[in-house]
Amino acid sequence: GDSVTQMEGPVTLSEEAFLTINCTYTATGYPSLFWYVQYPGEGLQLLLKATKADDKGSNKGFEATYRKETTSFHLEKGSVQVSDSAVYFCASLKAGSYQLTFGKGTKLSVIP
Amino acid sequence: EAGVVQSPRYKIIEKKQPVAFWCNPISGHNTLYWYLQNLGQGPELLIRYENEEAVDDSQLPKDRFSAERLKGVDSTLKIQPAELGDSAVYLCASSLDLTGTQYFGPGTRLTVL
Repeated sequence: GDSVTQMEGPVTLSEEAFLTINCTYTATGYPSLFWYVQYPGEGLQLLLKATKADDKGSNKGFEATYRKETTSFHLEKGSVQVSDSAVYFCASLKAGSYQLTFGKGTKLSVIP
Repeated sequence: EAGVVQSPRYKIIEKKQPVAFWCNPISGHNTLYWYLQNLGQGPELLIRYENEEAVDDSQLPKDRFSAERLKGVDSTLKIQPAELGDSAVYLCASSLDLTGTQYFGPGTRLTVL
């Protein structure tokens, strides 16, 4: 079945550091890919998405590019802020399906 | 536009007691989902509704869990009786249709003592 694998956390960075959270997927066909963010005590918020190969999703300074050849959707941000501290979930949605498959999440802590 | 609304945000009960969670999806969203999120894990689907019909409840533990979506809008998820292992966050999400982007509510954090 489909699966999503994220780098294990926690990840601790200093403010203004560069962030990469790795995500790879296994799926039949070409799924849509998502990054969701969960701030402390809150539900999941859609951060960005990409629906086809080579698409780049971006929002709030975060970016991720759908790489079919490496089945990856790594999340990046050039300069993190303390307010970015949260848990980040990578997810895939099989084409023509409603079934979201989530990774286990990566906790990011940004210190001043 | 209002997002997905859930209540209560937190619930603490003793084991064997019943509990219910309520969800109001984004206006116009026909598809509604209930997810279970255990600590340190990603959400896992419990049940999906298309309008008022439960079209996928294969992951719902039917001996103690039930759900309804009367009139195809609001939904309620119930546990009776609750067990210690039910302590988790229960998330509601909605989407325009079957394959649309899913938007999540803030969740209900359940603690069973």
